[in-house]
Amino acid sequence: NAGVTQTPKFQVLKTGQSMTLQCAQDMNHEYMSWYRQDPGMGLRLIHYSVGAGITDQGEVPNGYNVSRSTTEDFPLRLLSAAPSQTSVYFCASSRGQGFGELFFGEGSRLTVL
Amino acid sequence: AQSVTQPDIHITVSEGASLELRCNYSYGATPYLFWYVQSPGQGLQLLLKYFSGDTLVQGIKGFEAEFKRSQSSFNLRKPSVHWSDAAEYFCAVVPNAGNMLTFGGGTRLMVKP
Repeated sequence: NAGVTQTPKFQVLKTGQSMTLQCAQDMNHEYMSWYRQDPGMGLRLIHYSVGAGITDQGEVPNGYNVSRSTTEDFPLRLLSAAPSQTSVYFCASSRGQGFGELFFGEGSRLTVL
Repeated sequence: AQSVTQPDIHITVSEGASLELRCNYSYGATPYLFWYVQSPGQGLQLLLKYFSGDTLVQGIKGFEAEFKRSQSSFNLRKPSVHWSDAAEYFCAVVPNAGNMLTFGGGTRLMVKP
């Protein structure tokens, strides 16, 4: 039972480069979300999706794009990486929107030089 | 602004001692309340949650939390800490009828032998 799988686990980018963080879940969860974790700031919501074809912005969406073409996958795209996007990124899913237990991936550590 | 506050950034306790981690929120109505734990290099795992009813809730790994409406608090407790409890702990809330899980800044727990 894989749960929530994130790739890559580590990535180093140069300023201005683009990349996609992959997230897949095998629990048939409707709700998926992306958070970034920075020291002392907890986790902040970037984007979320309540089902295939539906996405919405969270607290810190600027510089990131998402799409949800299938129930299983929820990729996060950095269009033009900036040093301020250096962070650890977590994908999470749940049956319900915000009310159920969130299941987290193991995280993707991104460094932007 | 609505927020979740964890006043203690770091806490160190001796193995076998009791533990209390503080969490305060500033929302008009009682939100849904959660505690998550993050072991080093891992994603977050749900410890317990409060939606309504009995204000003392039991969670996994021997943890409990008490909701106090008068103090807008949801403190996490454990009677006897084990070395394996060393981790970072996050309080999180969903405003009643809201849709975004908001995290506190986290408390890092260290356990002395």
